[in-house]
Amino acid sequence: KNEVEQSPQNLTAQEGEFITINCSYSVGISALHWLQQHPGGGIVSLFMLSSGKKKHGRLIATINIQEKHSSLHITASHPRDSAVYICAVREDYGGATNKLIFGTGTLLAVQP
Amino acid sequence: DAGVTQSPTHLIKTRGQQVTLRCSPISGHKSVSWYQQVLGQGPQFIFQYYEKEERGRGNFPDRFSARQFPNYSSELNVNALLLGDSALYLCASSLAGRLAGVADTQYFGPGTRLTVL
Repeated sequence: KNEVEQSPQNLTAQEGEFITINCSYSVGISALHWLQQHPGGGIVSLFMLSSGKKKHGRLIATINIQEKHSSLHITASHPRDSAVYICAVREDYGGATNKLIFGTGTLLAVQP
Repeated sequence: DAGVTQSPTHLIKTRGQQVTLRCSPISGHKSVSWYQQVLGQGPQFIFQYYEKEERGRGNFPDRFSARQFPNYSSELNVNALLLGDSALYLCASSLAGRLAGVADTQYFGPGTRLTVL
């Protein structure tokens, strides 16, 4: 079983729809990242969370530490939001590394 | 300021060859991490370096090695290439690499796509 699980694996939405991507993890963490990866590879960091909620434009990320769960929401989705969204956690084991453990990603396609 | 840069962008090698990938972190960042992303999967941690010292190593064979230079740039070397080494290799930099006990954001480069034939 992967330490970081995402759902759904694939998501197709119509432009304007509200989108939710979920992430569950099984380890204690010091931080959780939401990342965006476009075809061709480049990864962009969207959010880093250790508690609560963050908002940037149409993107909202929430985390529930007790339930080991995070969600990424996209409001008023647009075709340019089409990408792979990846959840990654930094395990809190007291070590000095900032190694990230990644989920397998959610492929989002927003149709006009 | 320039972001994280990686070279080369693409690389084709044959089995048994050796390859060196390069990464330049964001100015002021002292920590560099390397990840391997096989097609269809999430990235897997290979190494982290901070101030030229190895801070973490993932579950990769000894064919994989890395180093960090005084200017904080880094090289990833892979010897005796196998077909399974074909992947996107990502470099990420951050300010402190968790020394202060506080999570800091990692910034990713565009990656080097390695194809082993």
